[in-house]
Amino acid sequence: EDKVVQSPLSLVVHEGDTVTLNCSYEVTNFRSLLWYKQEKKAPTFLFMLTSSGIEKKSGRLSSILDKKELFSILNITATQTGDSAVYLCAEGGYNTDKLIFGTGTRLQVFP
Amino acid sequence: GAVVSQHPSRVICKSGTSVKIECRSLDFQATTMFWYRQFPKQSLMLMATSNEGSKATYEQGVEKDKFLINHASLTLSTLTVTSAHPEDSSFYICSARAGGRDTEAFFGQGTRLTVV
Repeated sequence: EDKVVQSPLSLVVHEGDTVTLNCSYEVTNFRSLLWYKQEKKAPTFLFMLTSSGIEKKSGRLSSILDKKELFSILNITATQTGDSAVYLCAEGGYNTDKLIFGTGTRLQVFP
Repeated sequence: GAVVSQHPSRVICKSGTSVKIECRSLDFQATTMFWYRQFPKQSLMLMATSNEGSKATYEQGVEKDKFLINHASLTLSTLTVTSAHPEDSSFYICSARAGGRDTEAFFGQGTRLTVV
């Protein structure tokens, strides 16, 4: 059964810290891995990764995929209180349209 | 990015009644939409895949007769929670992909259902 596991489950940091969120997966026919940020309501899309070793960046956020070791990381540098949210990763397979979500990491950034 | 609109955002209903939640893709056509359920401080659990013009595909453990899904057009899917009970209280979210499997999924705003 396909599975996505995120760690840590929760993280508390101070503004300015750098954080690394982890996502490991066990899937058959892996196609893509996606990162989302969920604040109070629906998740908003951050990144989609399909190739190993290619970093994607958006401002202070970056992410990379390792298809050999079956994991991805999401880095946030110089964190701000607005980064407080649940970060979800999800995997998509070749033979299906659906996404399987991980457990999520709850990040809290304090001033 | 593409826009998915979900309505209502919040609903309170009495036990035993039915509630319909709508999910619309506003600027793209979605042959497939997905319905998720999320309990407090937990991740998104896929309930079913809604296919335009055909029956929905339900995940294991999800009651088809309780959670009725209809995908009548390329831009609208509905989830009806029938004979709602307090344990059905949850956050329900729909999503859709604007393109194929190489594209990201966009989410509706979610519906918080409270059954009293």
